[in-house]
Amino acid sequence: SQKIEQNSEALNIQEGKTATLTCNYTNYSPAYLQWYRQDPGRGPVFLLLIRENEKEKRKERLKVTFDTTLKQSLFHITASQPADSATYLCALDGNYGQNFVFGPGTRLSVLP
Amino acid sequence: EPEVTQTPSHQVTQMGQEVILRCVPISNHLYFYWYRQILGQKVEFLVSFYNNEISEKSEIFDDQFSVERPDGSNFTLKIRSTKLEDSAMYFCASWSYEQYFGPGTRLTVT
Repeated sequence: SQKIEQNSEALNIQEGKTATLTCNYTNYSPAYLQWYRQDPGRGPVFLLLIRENEKEKRKERLKVTFDTTLKQSLFHITASQPADSATYLCALDGNYGQNFVFGPGTRLSVLP
Repeated sequence: EPEVTQTPSHQVTQMGQEVILRCVPISNHLYFYWYRQILGQKVEFLVSFYNNEISEKSEIFDDQFSVERPDGSNFTLKIRSTKLEDSAMYFCASWSYEQYFGPGTRLTVT
């Protein structure tokens, strides 16, 4: 069956460091992979989308890589700030927008 | 900036009652969705809607659930006979290569 894992339930890092979050999947061939931020009690907020034929995408302090051979995406936040503390979700689409499957999320805490 | 809105923000209902959750998605988006998130758990896909019909639905979306886009702007999720396990946060979303989520409706079934 299809499975999405995110490297750890929680990650603590010091302010200014780079946070690296991992999303692994099995039994899936996604057309798109997306990363979201979710704050407690709020809806997910879209951050980045990367397509199956793209290796890397950047947006300001964010970088996403996508390796369809390893079935893995890495999400990096450089120069992390306490305001980056949130849960980060990866989501895979297997049918060009018809459905998205979310991972369990990684709760990131950036310590001042 | 365009946004997805949802009403109500919190709905309390008794087991066996019908509820309708309402959403106004971003009108020029291609797909509309409903998701649910049980407290402390992951976001789960329920259904997608494209061109005024259901595009895909998950195993969770059984006969108790239905969706409608009655007037070209609203997008509703109906749960016919609520169960205790339907208690969750329900999110509406719309997508045009970027997926925008609404703030959610917290449904509490007692």
